[in-house]
Amino acid sequence: GAVVSQHPSWVICKSGTSVKIECRSLDFQATTMFWYRQFPKQSLMLMATSNEGSKATYEQGVEKDKFLINHASLTLSTLTVTSAHPEDSSFYICSARDAGQIYEQYFGPGTRLTVT
Amino acid sequence: AQSVAQPEDQVNVAEGNPLTVKCTYSVSGNPYLFWYVQYPNRGLQFLLKYITGDNLVKGSYGFEAEFNKSQTSFHLKKPSALVSDSALYFCAVRGNNAGNMLTFGGGTRLMVKP
Repeated sequence: GAVVSQHPSWVICKSGTSVKIECRSLDFQATTMFWYRQFPKQSLMLMATSNEGSKATYEQGVEKDKFLINHASLTLSTLTVTSAHPEDSSFYICSARDAGQIYEQYFGPGTRLTVT
Repeated sequence: AQSVAQPEDQVNVAEGNPLTVKCTYSVSGNPYLFWYVQYPNRGLQFLLKYITGDNLVKGSYGFEAEFNKSQTSFHLKKPSALVSDSALYFCAVRGNNAGNMLTFGGGTRLMVKP
C-alpha cells in the first residue's frame, strides 16, 4: 500500500530556532500534500494544503510566515517552523493524496515537536 | 461547510463484546466517509471508507461501518472487541468535489478491557 514517511519522528529545539520537518511519499506521486497539527487529546486541525510546484494554501489563523511549506517535488513536502516558541510544541502530521486516486489520503507517522 | 460529530469522547467495552463508535456528518452532495485509527504518538491508519455502493463497508482488522443516508451516520462497528483495539478513532468526511478537504471529527477513545 501507499506509504508516507516523516522525518524526524521527534525533535526538541530551543525557542527562537527553526526546525524543518520532511514528508515523503515513498511509492506514489503526491500532487497534493496536507499538513495537520494535533494537540493532546484533540483532533487533527488542517494547517495548509500544498500542491506540487505552487504556493501552499493556508487555513485561517495559520501564520504562513511562521509555518513555511515547500512542495518542490511530487514526493517531498517540507514544513519549517520558524522562530519556534513553546506554544508551537505539538504533533505534526502530514498527509498525501495520490495523483491517481482522488479519494484516498495517506498519513505519515507524525512528528512530535517540543520547543523548550 | 462540512462537519463531523463523534458524540462520545470515550467508549468502554469488554473484550469479546461488540463495539460501536458513533459518527454523524454534514456535507453538501454525496459524502465520502472514512474511519482512521491512531495509536499513541503515531499517525493515522486507514480502516475503511465509503464512496458509493453497498451501505455496509468492511475494513481492516475486522471493523465495518454502515452508511445511513437518512440519518447521516457512519457508525464504526466490530462484532468482537480485542484489547489491542484500544486506540483513538477518527471519523472523517469530504464532499465529492476533487478540491474538497477532509474534515475530521473530534475523535473517540476506545478502551477495551480484558
